Amino acid sequence: GQQVMQIPQYQHVQEGEDFTTYCNSSTTLSNIQWYKQRPGGHPVFLIQLVKSGEVKKQKRLTFQFGEAKKNSSLHITATQTTDVGTYFCARTDSWGKLQFGAGTQVVVTP
Amino acid sequence: ETGVTQTPRHLVMGMTNKKSLKCEQHLGHNAMYWYKQSAKKPLELMFVYNFKEQTENNSVPSRFSPECPNSSHLFLHLHTLQPEDSALYLCASSQGDRAGDTQYFGPGTRLTVL
Repeated sequence: GQQVMQIPQYQHVQEGEDFTTYCNSSTTLSNIQWYKQRPGGHPVFLIQLVKSGEVKKQKRLTFQFGEAKKNSSLHITATQTTDVGTYFCARTDSWGKLQFGAGTQVVVTP
Repeated sequence: ETGVTQTPRHLVMGMTNKKSLKCEQHLGHNAMYWYKQSAKKPLELMFVYNFKEQTENNSVPSRFSPECPNSSHLFLHLHTLQPEDSALYLCASSQGDRAGDTQYFGPGTRLTVL
């Protein structure tokens, strides 16, 4: 089935810097969800985007859904060590089931 | 705590063993899921239950057998597994199995097959 592609696969960030991770699809998405998984932990829901061009913020995290609803991005400002983990985007397939991307693994250097 | 518990948290088993993984959700949800997370691979959906009925079997080998006795409990019975089945097995639940329903994950069972 259609999958979402996440780039980059790995992201090394200096503490205090900003970075962006991307989620791309070849087909139009009905919605996109973002999850975070800390090392040794389990995925935790962060947010869902539904509308074209939608932008949602959670403190230092900014989530965006593309105008064509084929891509999404997560931008983190002033990265902290607590941001370490793997960030997954997930799309809903034709039957309503979530399909996860491979994730972006974020490493923060103090 | 997300309201989804899994036991055991770690399991080591031989290829001839039979074991079961247990998941329990305390969120009043109607849908429950089993996922497999292997190193360097995306989360793979294995099974979906909605109102105790299996609605998805994602081409999972028969050595994995799910059981959902009620909406709060989900089991994964394991039999004659292979070393490549070693992975983190995650249970999740959601209100329903519709598009956009948020999934809440348990802590997972780290399975090692020798």
